[in-house]
Amino acid sequence: RKEVEQDPGPFNVPEGATVAFNCTYSNSASQSFFWYRQDCRKEPKLLMSVYSSGNEDGRFTAQLNRASQYISLLIRDSKLSDSATYLCVVNTGTGNQFYFGTGTSLTVIP
Amino acid sequence: NAGVTQTPKFQVLKTGQSMTLQCAQDMNHEYMSWYRQDPGMGLRLIHYSVGAGITDQGEVPNGYNVSRSTTEDFPLRLLSAAPSQTSVYFCASSYGPADNEQFFGPGTRLTVL
Repeated sequence: RKEVEQDPGPFNVPEGATVAFNCTYSNSASQSFFWYRQDCRKEPKLLMSVYSSGNEDGRFTAQLNRASQYISLLIRDSKLSDSATYLCVVNTGTGNQFYFGTGTSLTVIP
Repeated sequence: NAGVTQTPKFQVLKTGQSMTLQCAQDMNHEYMSWYRQDPGMGLRLIHYSVGAGITDQGEVPNGYNVSRSTTEDFPLRLLSAAPSQTSVYFCASSYGPADNEQFFGPGTRLTVL
């Protein structure tokens, strides 16, 4: 069983739409949670950390549900520049081992 | 600051050849990691280091060696390249463990024939 699972998509949405991604993790002892963004043929970059209380950064909202072991990312008012692959990342707290989901592809259409 | 740098950007090897992928960071980060990214597999941890002189295995360490003689450098060595090692390799560094942002290098695209 994979440590982190994501729906690969692709998600194709019109500009201005709201889109949500979910991610599940298998290790209940996981301690840190993140969303990274990866543009085509580029390196991943941190989008936002995910806290137990939920957190928001502009148009982006991240939620963590420890009981169900899933993480979500909500993007409001989608922009063309949001087109990318979004990676769910979990750290179990053991050493420096981060587990990445396979990523969810988003294309925002004019 | 240059951040995390990787060389080379592209490499083609023949089966059985060896090579070293270079990674350096100028942010004085203690934690460094090597990942490989394959289609449909996500990024998988190969080896990591929590400081100079300390390394440990990740999820897919077989066929790779690492060393960490300085804080800045964390080279990845392929001992005897195999076609299964065709992948994109990313080096990453972070200030600390767990809840710290990882900064990635631009990647090395490796093809093994």
